[in-house]
Amino acid sequence: NAGVTQTPKFRVLKTGQSMTLLCAQDMNHEYMYWYRQDPGMGLRLIHYSVGEGTTAKGEVPDGYNVSRLKKQNFLLGLESAAPSQTSVYFCASSYSSGEQYFGPGTRLTVT
Amino acid sequence: GEDVEQSLFLSVREGDSSVINCTYTDSSSTYLYWYKQEPGAGLQLLTYIFSNMDMKQDQRLTVLLNKKDKHLSLRIADTQTGDSAIYFCADVNRDDKIIFGKGTRLHILP
Repeated sequence: NAGVTQTPKFRVLKTGQSMTLLCAQDMNHEYMYWYRQDPGMGLRLIHYSVGEGTTAKGEVPDGYNVSRLKKQNFLLGLESAAPSQTSVYFCASSYSSGEQYFGPGTRLTVT
Repeated sequence: GEDVEQSLFLSVREGDSSVINCTYTDSSSTYLYWYKQEPGAGLQLLTYIFSNMDMKQDQRLTVLLNKKDKHLSLRIADTQTGDSAIYFCADVNRDDKIIFGKGTRLHILP
């Protein structure tokens, strides 16, 4: 099993550009999450999904959109990137809220 | 709202025991978790404890829970260089949402 994979691993964007981060899991998990990690801020939940076709806002959803068209995939979109969105983005999946499996992360820089 | 707090840094000599502490505010927590994040990687579930337990031991790891004081600790015996990482405490609240602490960076001294 590959577990949770994320693409791309690194990306540099200019302000105003858009991009989509892809998360895939092969563990048949219902729950999937997108977090961002910034120095001194810990992990902050952006959006999450409790099943195929459902999404919900987390702690810091502004500037991001998500879609869960297939159970195994969870996409995070940035429509108009801003320097404040420079961060490391982690995807996770789980059967239950506590035991989450994390991907390796995507390091995004917005200039 | 609920909160989980940890100290940000801990330095320990190789071979000594490391004790990472965590406090939480949610009295309805059923499970509490410890995650480990190595440099350049995602978080990895290390261990967890059910709220009606006081202690859980797994090889070099010992988790202690004081439910009355809402205090959780992770003890790593015989700390090794491979234990250098950020350790996150987390609990799941009554709405089934996980709340992470900001993480404790463990630095191993030679």
